[in-house]
Amino acid sequence: GQQLNQSPQSMFIQEGEDVSMNCTSSSIFNTWLWYKQDPGEGPVLLIALYKAGELTSNGRLTAQFGITRKDSFLNISASIPSDVGIYFCAGQLFQGAQKLVFGQGTRLTINP
Amino acid sequence: DAEITQSPRHKITETGRQVTLACHQTWNHNNMFWYRQDLGHGLRLIHYSYGVQDTNKGEVSDGYSVSRSNTEDLPLTLESAASSQTSVYFCASSDQAQGFNIQYFGAGTRLSVL
Repeated sequence: GQQLNQSPQSMFIQEGEDVSMNCTSSSIFNTWLWYKQDPGEGPVLLIALYKAGELTSNGRLTAQFGITRKDSFLNISASIPSDVGIYFCAGQLFQGAQKLVFGQGTRLTINP
Repeated sequence: DAEITQSPRHKITETGRQVTLACHQTWNHNNMFWYRQDLGHGLRLIHYSYGVQDTNKGEVSDGYSVSRSNTEDLPLTLESAASSQTSVYFCASSDQAQGFNIQYFGAGTRLSVL
């Protein structure tokens, strides 16, 4: 089936550092979503991207929908301890598609 | 507030037993999904439903079944639990507002099969 390649698989950073992660695919996507999963909880939507080239911010988080529609990145600025968790990208292949394709996740660990 | 709830949050069972995990959403969403999450595999789709009486197999459906008798509930049944089905299970729901599919997840059920 379709796959999203998410990298890096894990990150170990110091508090206050900026973080960058990305998702790539060989397929074109109509929508990109970024979710965060806190330990012991379900994924929660952070940012949704609907148009190629779109750059969207949510507080310290910024995500972009790649111009080729085959990639997306998520940046976190000035990381804090509550940013710890697993970040997933997800894509909708075409408008009206009711399933999502998920990346394998980036596990973020922050050293205080 | 509308929400999606899973129960139980934790379950321990024995090999060969039938187990049912509950998922209930109050958003009135047509679409509901079951995933399992294992280290190194991310979220894998087990079964999904686009409405009452509709069910479909996902990529890892063997050994699992679902039924959709109303809009709010999509229970997941493990017919004969196996150790390989030890995992964390997530239910999600979505609607097709404006053609975009944003899925909302429950808090998960951690299942251990001994």
